[in-house]
Amino acid sequence: EAQVTQNPRYLITVTGKKLTVTCSQNMNHEYMSWYRQDPGLGLRQIYYSMNVEVTDKGDVPEGYKVSRKEKRNFPLILESPSPNQTSLYFCASSLKGAPSYEQYFGPGTRLTVT
Amino acid sequence: QKEVEQDPGPLSVPEGAIVSLNCTYSNSAFQYFMWYRQYSRKGPELLMYTYSSGNKEDGRFTAQVDKSSKYISLFIRDSQPSDSATYLCAGTTDSWGKLQFGAGTQVVVTP
Repeated sequence: EAQVTQNPRYLITVTGKKLTVTCSQNMNHEYMSWYRQDPGLGLRQIYYSMNVEVTDKGDVPEGYKVSRKEKRNFPLILESPSPNQTSLYFCASSLKGAPSYEQYFGPGTRLTVT
Repeated sequence: QKEVEQDPGPLSVPEGAIVSLNCTYSNSAFQYFMWYRQYSRKGPELLMYTYSSGNKEDGRFTAQVDKSSKYISLFIRDSQPSDSATYLCAGTTDSWGKLQFGAGTQVVVTP
């Protein structure tokens, strides 16, 4: 089944404890991205990747890191999480970075930082 | 200020009614416009996609884009309880990397 998977789905952690949220797609997509969703603000892009080893900042990259060492995986790293990073995170992928190709979203990861 | 503005609702309608959703955007370089549907505890899924101005129809759903007024609309005819969800509008220039979302409108269709 073609899909975008994220792990973990739920995570409660403490301020400053490094964590990684994994994202994987099995559709051989070139484009992958990370969003956070907050009430009243909608979805905001954190980082995106046009292809392997090519990443760029989105609208809210502060406090996050990403890497794209292989096509199928795009992990999101929070080196020192803070309470303002409490949010619902979505990974997405698309065959290419152009909007004529549909973007598919993962199921989401709910992160709470205390 | 957000590049895409959307009334958060909630918007409550009786089954069978027409649902009308609207967004405004400020970036005149936007060429691609989307509507996503998001059920509770799920990721967004693409509902409608429009390039430039005009109308697009898909079953009970119609998307309209008026670039002169920077206005995006979605109409849902013969609404069903299964249409109850949050609807997100979005726009971008020529890349998914520049995609901007509205805050989303919660729609509740009551039987």
